[in-house]
Amino acid sequence: NAGVTQTPKFQVLKTGQSMTLQCAQDMNHEYMSWYRQDPGMGLRLIHYSVGAGITDQGEVPNGYNVSRSTTEDFPLRLLSAAPSQTSVYFCASRRTGENTGELFFGEGSRLTVL
Amino acid sequence: GDSVTQMEGPVTLSEEAFLTINCTYTATGYPSLFWYVQYPGEGLQLLLKATKADDKGSNKGFEATYRKETTSFHLEKGSVQVSDSAVYFCALGRGKLIFGQGTTLQVKP
Repeated sequence: NAGVTQTPKFQVLKTGQSMTLQCAQDMNHEYMSWYRQDPGMGLRLIHYSVGAGITDQGEVPNGYNVSRSTTEDFPLRLLSAAPSQTSVYFCASRRTGENTGELFFGEGSRLTVL
Repeated sequence: GDSVTQMEGPVTLSEEAFLTINCTYTATGYPSLFWYVQYPGEGLQLLLKATKADDKGSNKGFEATYRKETTSFHLEKGSVQVSDSAVYFCALGRGKLIFGQGTTLQVKP
């Protein structure tokens, strides 16, 4: 009963370092997405994917890259971390073709950039 | 573009009090509307939804009605419990979801 699994749960980076936040789901969901959560800002969409090999930008894509080589995995890459990327990151997925369907969220990854 | 505005928190209530968290939206067409809840240290989970005007979503004693004329989707509960303490997010969408800023609810015994 794993659902959406994110790793790591906590990470501290120095400015300029790179890292990848991992997201995996075992529900065979075609739609996957990444959000960042900041105080007073709610959740903002970074990137999303409607299936393997297809990705698109959300509201705040700058500084982040994604790829979708399999249905299960949707990693988020920070190529050169900046303090403005300090945030809590959530991966979420749902079935495609159900635009009113429930988004399933991971538990989040808290990133601090010094 | 589409947007969601929630009442600012935090909201502090005593147990068994009546809860209202206001949510208004701006959107083209008629998107689906959602309330998500985030308990401390966890991800968001769907609380309720409504897919068309005048629909009422309900779950765990919470209710919200999709009001097209006032572009609102206010969350209500008749008697809150300490276990309802969480952050509540209003959202709209037809695929990609747009979230409000969240409202923190604290219920005291």
